[in-house]
Amino acid sequence: DVKVTQSSRYLVKRTGEKVFLECVQDMDHENMFWYRQDPGLGLRLIYFSYDVKMKEKGDIPEGYSVSREKKERFSLILESASTNQTSMYLCASFPSGDMNTEAFFGQGTRLTVV
Amino acid sequence: GEDVEQSLFLSVREGDSSVINCTYTDSSSTYLYWYKQEPGAGLQLLTYIFSNMDMKQDQRLTVLLNKKDKHLSLRIADTQTGDSAIYFCAARPNSGNTPLVFGKGTRLSVIA
Repeated sequence: DVKVTQSSRYLVKRTGEKVFLECVQDMDHENMFWYRQDPGLGLRLIYFSYDVKMKEKGDIPEGYSVSREKKERFSLILESASTNQTSMYLCASFPSGDMNTEAFFGQGTRLTVV
Repeated sequence: GEDVEQSLFLSVREGDSSVINCTYTDSSSTYLYWYKQEPGAGLQLLTYIFSNMDMKQDQRLTVLLNKKDKHLSLRIADTQTGDSAIYFCAARPNSGNTPLVFGKGTRLSVIA
């Protein structure tokens, strides 16, 4: 039972290309997140969204933008891909509220920029 | 903001216990989590603990929380080769919509 789906497992793009990474969740969660994972650096937050059309910058937003037009879909956009954006990208979602909530992760997209 | 630290590598023999340690800085962190990432996969929640608890046990997993020292540990009893993975400690400051803050991950290697 897949809950968070990322559109691609592996992606190879050229420097300067505009790249779209898509994430869809089927749990009606308000909160969605994009992280990138690099060896020795762990997970770093790029952008997150609390609701449709809302977005907040994370720790490393430079070179990225996001779109949340529908509740279930959160897109990460690399405006002009560069080699230093080669990484594993992870999408996550969880519901709002004060109760403890588990964040569900997609399987990841390994992006290589050449 | 919150900062989460953990050692990068741990190697244990099959059948031994593994202990992965984590420290965090924000005393208001309400929820603390352990995630597991197997090769080529996303993150899977292993267990979590509320900040008002000292210990939580779930089968082979024991989580200990020292709130005064802001120290969290994950003990895996009878470690198996299938436990080889990267383990991430994560903290969630306050509650509501606050994003999770992750440590860099501890790569656990289990030697047969």
